[in-house]
Amino acid sequence: QVQLVESGGGVVQPGRSLRLSCAASGFSFNAYGMHWVRQSPDKGLEWVAVISYDGIRKFYADSVKGRLTISRDNSKNTLYLQMDSLRVDDTAVYYCAKDRVSRSSWFIFDYWGQGTLVTVSS
Amino acid sequence: DVQMTQSPSSLSASVGDRVTITCQASQGISNYLNWYQQKPGEAPKLLIFGASNLETGVPSRFSGGGSGTDFTFTISSLQPEDVATYYCQQYDALPPITFGQGTRLEIK
Repeated sequence: QVQLVESGGGVVQPGRSLRLSCAASGFSFNAYGMHWVRQSPDKGLEWVAVISYDGIRKFYADSVKGRLTISRDNSKNTLYLQMDSLRVDDTAVYYCAKDRVSRSSWFIFDYWGQGTLVTVSS
Repeated sequence: DVQMTQSPSSLSASVGDRVTITCQASQGISNYLNWYQQKPGEAPKLLIFGASNLETGVPSRFSGGGSGTDFTFTISSLQPEDVATYYCQQYDALPPITFGQGTRLEIK
């Protein structure tokens, strides 16, 4: 069965960096676009970034552009989110999510991980 | 960005009731609309995609409809396990895709 397991969350000071990972199993990871979506009490659910199945195309929400970087290693079935210059308003639970349609990005999230909490605080 | 407005923000209904949630887009999005269910402490779960297509394994009491700017999500006969927050999400004008603010559903 499909499993997505995030890790790497924690407490970090403003301006510092953090890298999240999402280990995928139970499906052909290299055939699906992958996303990061975050959730906070203030902003609700907020899409963060997408990476195509082959890692070539990447798109970001304006709120994270230039600070957060999505990447993937298809040989390790793992998705990453490098988070630099973190701000207090980046505090959220971060989910990785799989796109429903193979070899495309339709932004239909059919499987989600359990989430990892990132807290940005001084 | 396309703004998604859900109503009501919270809802209380009895077991067996028919429950309807609406989602309005700030501009036309054809049928590029998904519905998710999120139970406390869990990740969201896809229920409906493309406005009206039931995801595999989802009970048939859940349904969706609409196109353009106005959409509905219906539970035909509310069950205790349906207590959750429900979100709509558009994927027409992207990026970014956007979510509604959620509707919290409780049992009366």
